[in-house]
Amino acid sequence: AQSVAQPEDQVNVAEGNPLTVKCTYSVSGNPYLFWYVQYPNRGLQFLLKYITGDNLVKGSYGFEAEFNKSQTSFHLKKPSALVSDSALYFCAVRDRTAGTALIFGKGTTLSVSS
Amino acid sequence: EPEVTQTPSHQVTQMGQEVILRCVPISNHLYFYWYRQILGQKVEFLVSFYNNEISEKSEIFDDQFSVERPDGSNFTLKIRSTKLEDSAMYFCASSADSPYNEQFFGPGTRLTVL
Repeated sequence: AQSVAQPEDQVNVAEGNPLTVKCTYSVSGNPYLFWYVQYPNRGLQFLLKYITGDNLVKGSYGFEAEFNKSQTSFHLKKPSALVSDSALYFCAVRDRTAGTALIFGKGTTLSVSS
Repeated sequence: EPEVTQTPSHQVTQMGQEVILRCVPISNHLYFYWYRQILGQKVEFLVSFYNNEISEKSEIFDDQFSVERPDGSNFTLKIRSTKLEDSAMYFCASSADSPYNEQFFGPGTRLTVL
């Protein structure tokens, strides 16, 4: 069965510092991987995806993520955090051979302090 | 930038009543989805819809639920005989010409069943 783990409920960083939000996944085939962000009272907003090719993918608002097949991880990173990055972040996976449904992690709250 | 829209933003209903949640996907998208998020829990896939038929559904999507694309723009989720445990945020999403493109989510409808 497909699954996504986000081991941290909350990540706290100071503004200007690098941030990492962790994600590991489990699929039977090859994965499509996604990161979404959710601001209060808003829907999920697409940040970036890994489909194939370069393991380092760049997305919106300066975020990037690195696909690591051996560790089955897809951690979200940003070199310099902003207070406005504070939000709930979801990692999601889709098995290429198992349909179109996105399987989400439970989410990680990122809190960036000034 | 085109967006997925959902109405109403909040729906309160009595247990046993029927509700219809409405969505307008992005206009040139071909794949449509419903997800739900019970408070404090993961975002869960309900159903995907393509070419006027259900392409995939989860175990959650039982006979109580149905989806319809009644015209060229709307996509609806009907919940018959609502139960207390149906209380959740319901998200509509759409994706473009391939199911493997990223899904764009609407702001959600918060359903409260009393």
